[in-house]
Amino acid sequence: DAKTTQPNSMESNEEEPVHLPCNHSTISGTDYIHWYRQLPSQGPEYVIHGLTSNVNNRMASLAIAEDRKSSTLILHRATLRDAAVYYCILQESNFGNEKLTFGTGTRLTIIP
Amino acid sequence: GAGVSQSPSNKVTEKGKDVELRCDPISGHTALYWYRQSLGQGLEFLIYFQGNSAPDKSGLPSDRFSAERTGGSVSTLTIQRTQQEDSAVYLCASSSLSNSNQPQHFGDGTRLSIL
Repeated sequence: DAKTTQPNSMESNEEEPVHLPCNHSTISGTDYIHWYRQLPSQGPEYVIHGLTSNVNNRMASLAIAEDRKSSTLILHRATLRDAAVYYCILQESNFGNEKLTFGTGTRLTIIP
Repeated sequence: GAGVSQSPSNKVTEKGKDVELRCDPISGHTALYWYRQSLGQGLEFLIYFQGNSAPDKSGLPSDRFSAERTGGSVSTLTIQRTQQEDSAVYLCASSSLSNSNQPQHFGDGTRLSIL
């Protein structure tokens, strides 16, 4: 499985934008980039995913580098509820087993 | 709407006992996954179901672990002769189609503690 590299931890002030980076230099042409987050004492929660183009949804935006070797999850206005561990995961785009391979993620702390 | 439901939410049992963990996926979801999360290992894949079949059991750590799914819906994960290293949070996820365009929806897990 292609690997991703994320900072272990980040801090951000409440109500400010947050940019969470992810490096995936060995990504293959058919790998999707997925982001999940895990709040304390909960299961992981899907955030967003993309292949080549930047993506936006109600939770966040995903900016993908032109060479696809890195991506950034953008939370436009952080709230205390966004404090979680964020996982960047690559997933092959073929039918069949789509198991997720989680790394250690980035622990995001929001400062009130 | 109803999400993925897991029961029990907590289970404490003695070493050597068998345990059964249950997962109710989102209605209509054909793909179902079991993962576990422990302090030492992070979040790791155990087994994947497509319908009632399990094409990938590669993550099951030993033959003490087994899982089944019936009616394309409910799944149970069984651990026989539990050991202390089995202590972890066991998470279930489901998705509507088994391809990488569909997000996986997770339950909140069963926290298993082996005394």
